[in-house]
Amino acid sequence: DQQVKQNSPSLSVQEGRISILNCDYTNSMFDYFLWYKKYPAEGPTFLISISSIKDKNEDGRFTVFLNKSAKHLSLHIVPSQPGDSAVYFCAASAAGTASKLTFGTGTRLQVTL
Amino acid sequence: GAVVSQHPSRVICKSGTSVKIECRSLDFQATTMFWYRQFPKQSLMLMATSNEGSKATYEQGVEKDKFLINHASLTLSTLTVTSAHPEDSSFYICSARRGPPGGPYNEQFFGPGTRLTVL
Repeated sequence: DQQVKQNSPSLSVQEGRISILNCDYTNSMFDYFLWYKKYPAEGPTFLISISSIKDKNEDGRFTVFLNKSAKHLSLHIVPSQPGDSAVYFCAASAAGTASKLTFGTGTRLQVTL
Repeated sequence: GAVVSQHPSRVICKSGTSVKIECRSLDFQATTMFWYRQFPKQSLMLMATSNEGSKATYEQGVEKDKFLINHASLTLSTLTVTSAHPEDSSFYICSARRGPPGGPYNEQFFGPGTRLTVL
């Protein structure tokens, strides 16, 4: 039972353009959402997060949008840079679960020149 | 920043042997550590939650007698894969949570992972 889904396994975007990565979840108890970036043979590194009381959080080139009614969140990267090429995971957590994270399946982003 | 290390980064072992993987928080104390495994092109799956000084809490379907977790100090947790078999081959990643339970979720830092191959 995949509670967090990233339906696009890969995405290719030209340098300078916007990258939009999508994530859907099914568990209505999730109240905190995070995006992680991962390179091969490395652990994930935290990018940005959002609480369910907000619908948008911005940090530099990265913006996360949350649509609670649709159980959908997205990560926007503007402008995209070649160094952004990696696998991006969204993750979700529910209050009272001691910070246990449920990860999506990941989207491989390729930023081309 | 907070650094989490794992050792070894890669291990190959024979079927039936046991393998120990260490996870250390290098510059902070971690009251809680998590162990994940990742199969190729799949998500990170939480295996267990490890709290310093107490028994680990395992996720459904994870055999606690096969995957022994010891969180003996605030900076070290170990995962021992006992009597390893080829199906245990995977990428194992730990994370360490800084601060007390109930704090910011983004205070969870991941190690670089350990690639286990069982022949």
